Amino acid sequence: DAGVIQSPRHEVTEMGQEVTLRCKPISGHNSLFWYRQTMMRGLELLIYFNNNVPIDDSGMPEDRFSAKMPNASFSTLKIQPSEPRDSAVYFCASSLTGRGNYGYTFGSGTRLTVV
Amino acid sequence: GDSVTQMEGPVTLSEEAFLTINCTYTATGYPSLFWYVQYPGEGLQLLLKATKADDKGSNKGFEATYRKETTSFHLEKGSVQVSDSAVYFCALSLPDKLSFGAGTTVTVRA
Repeated sequence: DAGVIQSPRHEVTEMGQEVTLRCKPISGHNSLFWYRQTMMRGLELLIYFNNNVPIDDSGMPEDRFSAKMPNASFSTLKIQPSEPRDSAVYFCASSLTGRGNYGYTFGSGTRLTVV
Repeated sequence: GDSVTQMEGPVTLSEEAFLTINCTYTATGYPSLFWYVQYPGEGLQLLLKATKADDKGSNKGFEATYRKETTSFHLEKGSVQVSDSAVYFCALSLPDKLSFGAGTTVTVRA
């Protein structure tokens, strides 16, 4: 398996623009997680899905952030409009059954810079 | 709620030194415990795990034992290498997700 695949690896955009981050989870995994990592706040869980259904989006910072999982093999995280404080590394992770017993597999992340 | 607390870094060591990173947990049930490692520019990778009390997880020379009596899961390595320089995260399983510690940055100098 190729693992969790995220695209793009790097994104530089201007403030006010829409940004879409993409994630392909491991085939067969039924839970998907979006994290944001910054030096100041560390690793933050934004939202997670189980069987394509959003379960907890309490970590989504503002209405500017939205996430979708239209099918078991694809998810997006969208920021509209983007702001400089959104600059961070965004990780996607997937797991089997959603239970922590199986652990997560993380993607390599998308480094977002908003100027 | 259920959570983990790990020692703050950064930790700087010389090659071949002994490494310990402390992790304690708070849980109402019997969670699984994990250590993840993040190398520069990469995502987190599962390093080792333990699913019940007294289990020992091990990988790449690292070990951690699930201690119910002290609610701990300390990470140890007897002789570190420069390539072990990374951020290490302790994590605990909740019913439907993991709870991560803040991470400990380890730098190993030649």
